[in-house]
Amino acid sequence: DGGITQSPKYLFRKEGQNVTLSCEQNLNHDAMYWYRQDPGQGLRLIYYSQIVNDFQKGDIAEGYSVSREKKESFPLTVTSAQKNPTAFYLCASSIGGSRVGELFFGEGSRLTVL
Amino acid sequence: AQSVTQLDSQVPVFEEAPVELRCNYSSSVSVYLFWYVQYPNQGLQLLLKYLSGSTLVESINGFEAEFNKSQTSFHLRKPSVHISDTAEYFCAVSGSGGSYIPTFGRGTSLIVHP
Repeated sequence: DGGITQSPKYLFRKEGQNVTLSCEQNLNHDAMYWYRQDPGQGLRLIYYSQIVNDFQKGDIAEGYSVSREKKESFPLTVTSAQKNPTAFYLCASSIGGSRVGELFFGEGSRLTVL
Repeated sequence: AQSVTQLDSQVPVFEEAPVELRCNYSSSVSVYLFWYVQYPNQGLQLLLKYLSGSTLVESINGFEAEFNKSQTSFHLRKPSVHISDTAEYFCAVSGSGGSYIPTFGRGTSLIVHP
């Protein structure tokens, strides 16, 4: 079945460590996104990518980095510069064009900093 | 800039009662509107969307939402809720200023009691 796969589902990290969250899609979508979700704050956009080898910062990009070397993959690295990384991270993709704003989400990755 | 306000952070209701989850948006141009649902520890799923045409849109599980341009609202309603409707509901808007990237509200937690 087509969809978006995020891994790992749960991740624990010590302070000062970088961690990379994986996001893979087999929907043949052009655009991919990373959101951060905190209780009561909704979804906040970290980074997005419309095409391979191109990506843009979202509203809260500081302390994060991404790459888009393949259409199917959009990994997110949470660096040690992110001051409060404990959160639920959601990856999404969209066709673009006429399907404006309609996103397909993965199951999420919960990161906890110890 | 576009923004979304979900007026209620939590809505408790008894099973088989009607419910309305409120959503207001701000934009000076035509927009696209969405409702997503999130079950615990999962990603978001599209519930329904308004892109154009009829202002009343329906989902397959009994929810409906009405686009009201004069009141800039897109409230979600269901005439009779089930325990299984307990979830977090997010309203989203896109299309303002040519941006297809959706902006999400903070979410409304629907809690259905037996």
